[in-house]
Amino acid sequence: SQKIEQNSEALNIQEGKTATLTCNYTNYSPAYLQWYRQDPGRGPVFLLLIRENEKEKRKERLKVTFDTTLKQSLFHITASQPADSATYLCALDMNSNSGYALNFGKGTSLLVTP
Amino acid sequence: DTEVTQTPKHLVMGMTNKKSLKCEQHMGHRAMYWYKQKAKKPPELMFVYSYEKLSINESVPSRFSPECPNSSLLNLHLHALQPEDSALYLCASSQGVGGLDTQYFGPGTRLTVL
Repeated sequence: SQKIEQNSEALNIQEGKTATLTCNYTNYSPAYLQWYRQDPGRGPVFLLLIRENEKEKRKERLKVTFDTTLKQSLFHITASQPADSATYLCALDMNSNSGYALNFGKGTSLLVTP
Repeated sequence: DTEVTQTPKHLVMGMTNKKSLKCEQHMGHRAMYWYKQKAKKPPELMFVYSYEKLSINESVPSRFSPECPNSSLLNLHLHALQPEDSALYLCASSQGVGGLDTQYFGPGTRLTVL
């Protein structure tokens, strides 16, 4: 069955450092991979999408890599700030005969301390 | 307007009640989704509507009944729920139903079943 694995442990880092979050997947051949941010009690917010033929994508302090050989995506936040504290979810399209939908990983909780 | 709205924000209901959750978007998106999210778990897909037609039903119990009256509106009718159905119910929309279509989420309805 299709699986998406993200670091289950919370990640605690100091302000100003780079946070690196991991998303591994099995039994998928995704053409796209998406990253979302979720704050407690709120809906997820889209951050970045990367295509299978893109090795890296950047947006401001965010960087995503996508290695289809390793079946892994890395999500980096450089110069992290306490406001970056949230849960980060990776998402892949589901293997559904009925149509397209997203399957989310469990998410990694990031805490940035001053 | 890039917002998905959901009402109510909170709902408490007994197991014999009938209630409805409402979701609205005015971005011209043609796909709308219902997700269920328990604490510390990822959003779990329930239903997908594409062009106002139900395209995916992820084996959801019949006590949850979706309805899409028009392209901007999505309802979730609830009847005879169980306490284990207590969760955050998220609505989302996307331009289409393909890999490049990122999802916009509403703030959710926090449902408690007594």
